[in-house]
Amino acid sequence: GAGVSQTPSNKVTEKGKYVELRCDPISGHTALYWYRQSLGQGPEFLIYFQGTGAADDSGLPNDRFFAVRPEGSVSTLKIQRTERGDSAVYLCASSLLPGASNEQFFGPGTRLTVL
Amino acid sequence: DQQVKQNSPSLSVQEGRISILNCDYTNSMFDYFLWYKKYPAEGPTFLISISSIKDKNEDGRFTVFLNKSAKHLSLHIVPSQPGDSAVYFCAARQVDSSYKLIFGSGTRLLVRP
Repeated sequence: GAGVSQTPSNKVTEKGKYVELRCDPISGHTALYWYRQSLGQGPEFLIYFQGTGAADDSGLPNDRFFAVRPEGSVSTLKIQRTERGDSAVYLCASSLLPGASNEQFFGPGTRLTVL
Repeated sequence: DQQVKQNSPSLSVQEGRISILNCDYTNSMFDYFLWYKKYPAEGPTFLISISSIKDKNEDGRFTVFLNKSAKHLSLHIVPSQPGDSAVYFCAARQVDSSYKLIFGSGTRLLVRP
């Protein structure tokens, strides 16, 4: 497909478990972003990759959250010891180049539910 | 501390009339503003944007106005269509940042046939 894809679309897990969320950006897009959207709120920035490196991880809430993009394409968001407060929709976006004139294209998100 | 605010959680408009969605911001370092539209179970879709050096940008039925002195922007949709019913998010980017977007909480627009 031509758009950003995210898997799984839904993930239900138990408190304390480890989860991985995957993002496939649009081919050729060098910039990749992770956001988190809680109910009734707008997306909230988590981390930004330029190529393989995390250029800005200031939005990660704590050290239970980690993300990688080893080959500069697919990215994985990893959450350790999940808590109920981690329940949200996790959105991935990519853009051709970083910068305001390059719009960010969003995937459909992964809905994470921590019981 | 919310830097981007959308104070109207919902708006209902008759088909064919104008829809006006508002957004306020507090950070004067924002240099670029965007509107995204979101349908249920889908990711946000880019709609229109405006640079801080402009005060208006138009694209078909959609126009965004920026008032820097008031730190306010608005999205006008005219004429409104039932297919425009969605949640609209205002977003802003800070100068010299990582290009991350800071979103408002959204306004749910309902266009009645």
